[in-house]
Amino acid sequence: EDQVTQSPEALRLQEGESSSLNCSYTVSGLRGLFWYRQDPGKGPEFLFTLYSAGEEKEKERLKATLTKKESFLHITAPKPEDSATYLCAAIPNDYKLSFGAGTTVTVRA
Amino acid sequence: DAMVIQNPRYQVTQFGKPVTLSCSQTLNHNVMYWYQQKSSQAPKLLFHYYDKDFNNEADTPDNFQSRRPNTSFCFLDIRSPGLGDAAMYLCATSSGGTGADTQYFGPGTRLTVL
Repeated sequence: EDQVTQSPEALRLQEGESSSLNCSYTVSGLRGLFWYRQDPGKGPEFLFTLYSAGEEKEKERLKATLTKKESFLHITAPKPEDSATYLCAAIPNDYKLSFGAGTTVTVRA
Repeated sequence: DAMVIQNPRYQVTQFGKPVTLSCSQTLNHNVMYWYQQKSSQAPKLLFHYYDKDFNNEADTPDNFQSRRPNTSFCFLDIRSPGLGDAAMYLCATSSGGTGADTQYFGPGTRLTVL
């Protein structure tokens, strides 16, 4: 069974304190891995797609990386506006998106 | 600039009273999805359309139905809502070109069942 696990469940950071979120996956043939940001009461907002191990993508203070077993979302010098739930999702061979439960990040000023 | 639009944003219904949620898209994407997301949980795929082809997930209750009258619109019908159906309902679209295309989500409809 395809499985995506995110850790930690919650992360509290001081403004400027860099950290990483983990997304480990066990899927039958990874076609792609997505990262989304979700604010309370809103739909997920697309951040990155990674397709192969070794790939990296960056956007402002966020950087996503991919290995054969996991993906990391690095947040460099976070600001309070980076507070959100970050979801990762994997697409296996059957093309059905499998989501993790998310990591809720809170950045204090 | 809205690409995936969901209406209404908030819906309150009574136990057993049918309700319809709406999704429209301006991306001209082939694939449209409906997800259910309960508090602090991952989105759960209910079904999707590839063009007019309907694909139901095996564990989606019969209480949930969907219609896609044209490329731009897709509807989620809940025939007899129960208290357990209270959730955020998310619509998403993708181009469908490779099967691993990015899915773009709408803002969601928060359903409350009284």
